[in-house]
Formats: sequence, C-alpha cells, structure tokens
Amino acid sequence: AQSVTQLGSHVSVSEGALVLLRCNYSSSVPPYLFWYVQYPNQGLQLLLKYTSAATLVKGINGFEAEFKKSETSFHLTKPSAHMSDAAEYFCAVSAPGGKLIFGQGTELSVKP
Amino acid sequence: NAGVTQTPKFRILKIGQSMTLQCAQDMNHNYMYWYRQDPGMGLKLIYYSVGAGITDKGEVPNGYNVSRSTTEDFPLRLELAAPSQTSVYFCATLAGGSSYEQYFGPGTRLTVT
Repeated sequence: AQSVTQLGSHVSVSEGALVLLRCNYSSSVPPYLFWYVQYPNQGLQLLLKYTSAATLVKGINGFEAEFKKSETSFHLTKPSAHMSDAAEYFCAVSAPGGKLIFGQGTELSVKP
Repeated sequence: NAGVTQTPKFRILKIGQSMTLQCAQDMNHNYMYWYRQDPGMGLKLIYYSVGAGITDKGEVPNGYNVSRSTTEDFPLRLELAAPSQTSVYFCATLAGGSSYEQYFGPGTRLTVT
C-alpha cells in the first residue's frame, strides 16, 4: 500500500531564505510523486511531478524536487523564498486507478 | 474551458438533512474523484469513477453516495448529514493515459450543525 509522510506541519522561513519541505513515501511499486500547492480558500494546483524520468524535477514558481529512491524521499526546495510562496503544500503518491494518496500537508509561512 | 466547476461554494446544513454537491468538467476526462479535506489531515478520497457508469469507494465512503451517468458530471450525495461531515470537499479529474496530473475544482465548504 502507498502512504506519504510530510515532516513538519508548519515551516517558517524568512524572505530570501531557502525553502525545504520534506516528504517521505512508501510504495510497493515504482511511485509517481507529486507536489501540490493550495493558496487560501482555493483548490490545489500542481507544482511538479515525478513520473520515472529525471530524478531532479523542476516545477513552477522556481520550485524543484529530487526523487531519492534509497531514502524514499521527494523533498521540495526553492533557493529563495518569496512572500507569495506562503501557502499549504501537499505531497502525494499515485495509487491504482489514478488515485492520489496525500500527506497531511505543510503550511509555509514567509516572514519579511 | 471552465475546467472543473463545483457548486455550491458554501453550504450550511442541519443534522439529518441531505444535499448533493455538484461537480462538472469540460475536459472530457474519464477519471473523476471526490476528496474531503480536514485540517491537519490532508485530503482523503471518498469515491472515484473511471468512466461513465463506473464508480468505486475510496478511503472514507461512509455517509456518501455517488453516481456517474455522463462523462461530464460526478455528483456527491450526502444522506443524513452529521457534524463529522463538516469539511471542504474537492472534486478532481484525470485524463488518464500517461498524464497522471489531477485537476482540482475550487472546493465546496460544508458545515453541518
């Protein structure tokens, strides 16, 4: 069975600092992995996805994530945080039927 | 294209009432999903459909029903609403094939009191 664990329900960084949001997964088959972002009172928007091509995946808004099979991780990073990055971020792993199994989410705050 | 639309945006129900959350898509996607989002819990799958006439349970189906008579629409029915069903509900679609990306609607915020 597939599962996702996001380490840290809240992360706070200063504007211009590195953003690192952690995600570990469990999957009995080679996984497809996703990061979604949710701005207040909105739906989810895809940031990036790993579908067994390159292990370093670049997404929108300067975010990227690296798939590390040995560590079963798919951490999300951005070199320099911007105030507009404040949102909730969800890591997800695919399951049969195209379903997504989500982590519990990490709320990112950006301090001026 | 409107993408995925959900109605209503907000609703307050009394315990024991019933209602239908509407979800419609204009992308001709075969796969559709209903999730609920509770604080600190991420999103949990309620029901999903791989095509018109085919539905299946997700992780948290109790208290809900769905139908899929057309490709475009995937309504979620709540019977005998309970406070535990207070949540934000999201509908999503997936094209299938090699896409893997789900497209989400804006959500319906439901309160049961």
